[in-house]
Amino acid sequence: GQQLNQSPQSMFIQEGEDVSMNCTSSSIFNTWLWYKQDPGEGPVLLIALYKAGELTSNGRLTAQFGITRKDSFLNISASIPSDVGIYFCAVEGTSGTYKYIFGTGTRLKVLA
Amino acid sequence: EPEVTQTPSHQVTQMGQEVILRCVPISNHLYFYWYRQILGQKVEFLVSFYNNEISEKSEIFDDQFSVERPDGSNFTLKIRSTKLEDSAMYFCASSEDRYNEQFFGPGTRLTVL
Repeated sequence: GQQLNQSPQSMFIQEGEDVSMNCTSSSIFNTWLWYKQDPGEGPVLLIALYKAGELTSNGRLTAQFGITRKDSFLNISASIPSDVGIYFCAVEGTSGTYKYIFGTGTRLKVLA
Repeated sequence: EPEVTQTPSHQVTQMGQEVILRCVPISNHLYFYWYRQILGQKVEFLVSFYNNEISEKSEIFDDQFSVERPDGSNFTLKIRSTKLEDSAMYFCASSEDRYNEQFFGPGTRLTVL
């Protein structure tokens, strides 16, 4: 089935460092999204990407939709303790479907 | 800012019992969804709903599951006879239309004993 692989699975970083994570697929998708999930909460939308090559920022977050439409990365600059959580990429399923397919997640821990 | 709300936040039930999970989607949204997340795993799609009918469902969404929009604001997920493996977080989501981003609620943690 369709699968999104995220790397790294988890990471510890020092406060103030920049973070980079990515999401890859063996299939082409036309919409890529990044969500953050805090413990016991629902996913919160961070950035949505609709065009191959698109680079979009939201505050300290920057995400890019890969040219091949098979990958995306998310960067967080100058991390702070509240960046802790699980970051999921998601794609809109192939044409004719309504569902989102979620990645395996990257767990981020920030050391103060 | 409008948000999706879900009740209850935590539901504990005995195996074989029926449960109804409730959601209030964002008011001007027309598409509604349920997703499930087993502890420590990724979020998985269950069902989408539009215009008072199911538009798509996954293989997880078997005959034990049903959805309903009983009035103009609520959207419910019913599990007819719960199994141990139904224990998970259940997230409701809504979107303005099919091509807009889906916004998720805080989830209901279902524990089946």
